[in-house]
Amino acid sequence: NAGVMQNPRHLVRRRGQEARLRCSPMKGHSHVYWYRQLPEEGLKFMVYLQKENIIDESGMPKERFSAEFPKEGPSILRIQQVVRGDSAAYFCASSPPAGTQYFGPGTRLTVL
Amino acid sequence: AQKVTQAQTEISVVEKEDVTLDCVYETRDTTYYLFWYKQPPSGELVFLIRRNSFDEQNEISGRYSWNFQKSTSSFNFTITASQVVDSAVYFCALTRGEQGGSEKLVFGKGTKLTVNP
Repeated sequence: NAGVMQNPRHLVRRRGQEARLRCSPMKGHSHVYWYRQLPEEGLKFMVYLQKENIIDESGMPKERFSAEFPKEGPSILRIQQVVRGDSAAYFCASSPPAGTQYFGPGTRLTVL
Repeated sequence: AQKVTQAQTEISVVEKEDVTLDCVYETRDTTYYLFWYKQPPSGELVFLIRRNSFDEQNEISGRYSWNFQKSTSSFNFTITASQVVDSAVYFCALTRGEQGGSEKLVFGKGTKLTVNP
């Protein structure tokens, strides 16, 4: 019974490039959440999605960041034109309806 | 607005000591959920417990126990007879309960626990 899968585990990008982070929820989970953990800060909510729908994006930066959870395939968090301040650990979580969120191992993004 | 405060930034104990991690929360909701997650040095986030606002019974799971007190808005976590493997950052979190808990988690800043041999 596989848990939440995230890939890549580590991603290095140069300033101005695009970063694409993938998340496959646990089997049977239809809700996906993205969180960011910045150095010296706690975990901050970014976006909550269900299949083909964004439910809450109140934590997403207004520019350069987008997320999707298509009918088929993993959820994608996309960061365009990355800057050094985007360096962080990005965690995906999934849950069934009205259920506990279980987290993936995270993607560590480093922007050079 | 919801808020979680973990006043202890770092705690260091010697193996076999008991240790309590404090968590105080703020919410205007009458229905909400409280959580604890563990982040070991390897970096992943491990779910430990979920408690809804209507269930104030304390919970024990092996060496772990949780004390939920609505009167003081606290959800404290105690590790009995700590072990080196308990060394991790522990996060307390809160979510609204309207959707059965399927909403964003609001995290505290975490408490880093170091258990020395």
